[in-house]
Amino acid sequence: AQSVTQLGSHVSVSEGALVLLRCNYSSSVPPYLFWYVQYPNQGLQLLLKYTTGATLVKGINGFEAEFKKSETSFHLTKPSAHMSDAAEYFCAVIKTGANSKLTFGKGITLSVRP
Amino acid sequence: GAGVSQSPSNKVTEKGKDVELRCDPISGHTALYWYRQSLGQGLEFLIYFQGNSAPDKSGLPSDRFSAERTGGSVSTLTIQRTQQEDSAVYLCASSLRERIADTQYFGPGTRLTVL
Repeated sequence: AQSVTQLGSHVSVSEGALVLLRCNYSSSVPPYLFWYVQYPNQGLQLLLKYTTGATLVKGINGFEAEFKKSETSFHLTKPSAHMSDAAEYFCAVIKTGANSKLTFGKGITLSVRP
Repeated sequence: GAGVSQSPSNKVTEKGKDVELRCDPISGHTALYWYRQSLGQGLEFLIYFQGNSAPDKSGLPSDRFSAERTGGSVSTLTIQRTQQEDSAVYLCASSLRERIADTQYFGPGTRLTVL
């Protein structure tokens, strides 16, 4: 079965510091991978996705993620955190060969300190 | 253009009552998804529609849950005889087609509280 692991439930960084949110997946075949962000009292917004092609994926708001098959990882990074990045971040996967329902990790809350 | 809309935004009901949650997808999107977000279970898939058909209902937690979609547009999620464990945020998403590469756009959700 496809699953997604997000280590930790909360990450706190200083404004201007590197943001690194980890995501690992379990799969015997490369899945399709996504990062979504959820701001308070709002729905989910797609940050970026990996389907095929280049393994370094650039998304909105300066975020990027790299698909590493050897490590079964898809970690999300941003070089310099802004206060507006404070939100909850979800890694998700779609199982290949099936329909396009998303399976989500449990999410990580990012706090940004002034 | 307009995004995915959901109504009501908040719903408080008493245990045992039936509730209906509505989703209006982005115009022209043929695929529609329902997810549930709760403290205990996180984000989980419920059901999806391609047009008016529901090829995958595997995520519906019990037979008290049902959903329909009419005219390839609006969808309604119905929960009968609500229980306290049904309390959650119900999210709807739509995509242009039912293809993996197509982005799912989410609505703001309906927060359901069962007393």
